[in-house]
Amino acid sequence: AQRVTQPEKLLSVFKGAPVELKCNYSYSGSPELFWYVQYSRQRLQLLLRHISRESIKGFTADLNKGETSFHLKKPFAQEEDSAMYYCALRLSGGYNKLIFGAGTRLAVHP
Amino acid sequence: GAGVSQSPSNKVTEKGKDVELRCDPISGHTALYWYRQSLGQGLEFLIYFQGNSAPDKSGLPSDRFSAERTGGSVSTLTIQRTQQEDSAVYLCASSFGLDQPQHFGDGTRLSIL
Repeated sequence: AQRVTQPEKLLSVFKGAPVELKCNYSYSGSPELFWYVQYSRQRLQLLLRHISRESIKGFTADLNKGETSFHLKKPFAQEEDSAMYYCALRLSGGYNKLIFGAGTRLAVHP
Repeated sequence: GAGVSQSPSNKVTEKGKDVELRCDPISGHTALYWYRQSLGQGLEFLIYFQGNSAPDKSGLPSDRFSAERTGGSVSTLTIQRTQQEDSAVYLCASSFGLDQPQHFGDGTRLSIL
């Protein structure tokens, strides 16, 4: 069965420290992976998708098919990065429904 | 509109009552999705509509749940004979097409007493 696992419910770091939010997936097909973010009192929004291979707000994520991972990284965390982060998997074959992980709350302290 | 609009933002009702949740997608978006987020859990897919195709209902948890999309735009998610385990935030999203990112609404927080 398809599954997305985010092992950490909470990640707490100090400003300026590196951040890595872990995401592992289980899917036998060709995956498309996303990171969504939800800031306090805001709606869920797309942060980045693996096919774009871009950096958004200093965040990057590389799809590692061998390790079935799509970890989100940022070299220097900022306080405004504090939010809830969700990793999501889109199945191939024309199905656009997303399978989400349980989310990781990132808290960046001054 | 500026984004996906959902109403009501909050709904409190008694166990056994029926509820209707509404979603207005972004104008021009052909795909519309419903998700449920229970406390401490990720988003759970419920149903999606794409154009005039038959909806994918594979995520609906029971036959008490149903959804319609009229005129290819507004959607209503109906939960009949609500149970306490139905308490959750119900999120709607829309996208321009199957290959495009999904844009989410603010959700409806449903509380069953």
